[in-house]
Amino acid sequence: KAGVTQTPRYLIKTRGQQVTLSCSPISGHRSVSWYQQTPGQGLQFLFEYFSETQRNKGNFPGRFSGRQFSNSRSEMNVSTLELGDSALYLCASSLAGQGLGSPLHFGNGTRLTVT
Amino acid sequence: GEDVEQSLFLSVREGDSSVINCTYTDSSSTYLYWYKQEPGAGLQLLTYIFSNMDMKQDQRLTVLLNKKDKHLSLRIADTQTGDSAIYFCAESITGGGNKLTFGTGTQLKVEL
Repeated sequence: KAGVTQTPRYLIKTRGQQVTLSCSPISGHRSVSWYQQTPGQGLQFLFEYFSETQRNKGNFPGRFSGRQFSNSRSEMNVSTLELGDSALYLCASSLAGQGLGSPLHFGNGTRLTVT
Repeated sequence: GEDVEQSLFLSVREGDSSVINCTYTDSSSTYLYWYKQEPGAGLQLLTYIFSNMDMKQDQRLTVLLNKKDKHLSLRIADTQTGDSAIYFCAESITGGGNKLTFGTGTQLKVEL
């Protein structure tokens, strides 16, 4: 079974631009979560989607948004990029909601550099 | 709120056992996880434990959970150079969906 696939692997953008990252979950997984990893803040939760609905959201500004499609694939978008948005963005998928013993499986991430 | 803490570094000799520790604050934890991250890679799920269990063993890995002290540990038996990586513990809480709160990570270095 293929794992979580994130594209692209690397991105370089300029301040003020916007960016869209893509995530394909493990086949059959309906929940997709996004995390930001930086050296200073560590791993921080961005949001979670389940059956095309945002179920949970972290403490990030509105410039960070996401969506999930009917095939469970997800995208996240960051508008008006700032230097501090440079990070590794990780997507994780899960069979179902937490509480049913269904752990998160992570992709290899998209490394975003903002210059 | 949730807070998860880990020591930053651990150095062991090849063949020895490694014990990585983690403490958490939220008493409504449901699951606790251990992930491994190698350079340039994402997070690899190693094992996880339900909060009403106190131990779980999976080949070379043993997880111990002391719910009273909110302490979680991961023991790696017969540590190999390929185990060198950063190890993260994480918790999920009741009503939190799939939101995980991660620790800062412990860098494990295995020396020959």
